[in-house]
Amino acid sequence: DAKTTQPTSMDCAEGRAANLPCNHSTISGNEYVYWYRQIHSQGPQYIIHGLKNNETNEMASLIITEDRKSSTLILPHATLRDTAVYYCIVRVAEKTSYDKVIFGPGTSLSVIP
Amino acid sequence: SAVISQKPSRDICQRGTSLTIQCQVDSQVTMMFWYRQQPGQSLTLIATANQGSEATYESGFVIDKFPISRPNLTFSTLTVSNMSPEDSSIYLCSVRLSGNTIYFGEGSWLTVV
Repeated sequence: DAKTTQPTSMDCAEGRAANLPCNHSTISGNEYVYWYRQIHSQGPQYIIHGLKNNETNEMASLIITEDRKSSTLILPHATLRDTAVYYCIVRVAEKTSYDKVIFGPGTSLSVIP
Repeated sequence: SAVISQKPSRDICQRGTSLTIQCQVDSQVTMMFWYRQQPGQSLTLIATANQGSEATYESGFVIDKFPISRPNLTFSTLTVSNMSPEDSSIYLCSVRLSGNTIYFGEGSWLTVV
């Protein structure tokens, strides 16, 4: 089973920041938080990941709470092309011979003109 | 990141037949994964394919139905055997790169009639 919970769907006005929450209350100390998104008809696209510090890249920012039990993905200026299903995932930080990524249902984000 | 190519990108197949999906990566990777995404659903992990060993299947998936080959560090195949309309899905290949992030191909859209 997925180790995260996310809202089923969200709307965001174009040009505004989209804040997508994720709960991962059972996360272990050696697990990262990863975010992917899937635009219709495409494979999942990697966005960002983090362990305990906040992270930022050209696509998004990731804010992880101090207790690491939840996080928020921020798209600073949402565009219509950001309409997608966003998946929050936890997985082990170290390279192991046993590794797999389990997807939950994700959040369907609709960016509205 | 990596360039992950899947073939075929789409196919329509007759029930009772089998289809082999190919996944080619532009760099050597240790771990490759195969996922299924049924219409309107999230991704479900079918199996993990490591080079030089038997694939590890998730609960609900068996080798007779979904045989996997992993002949080298850049290539894998997934066969969907004795297909039925319930096998109509997107089949996705993913790989774990040296930085430990997992990336996905664009998927193979299979329709069984």
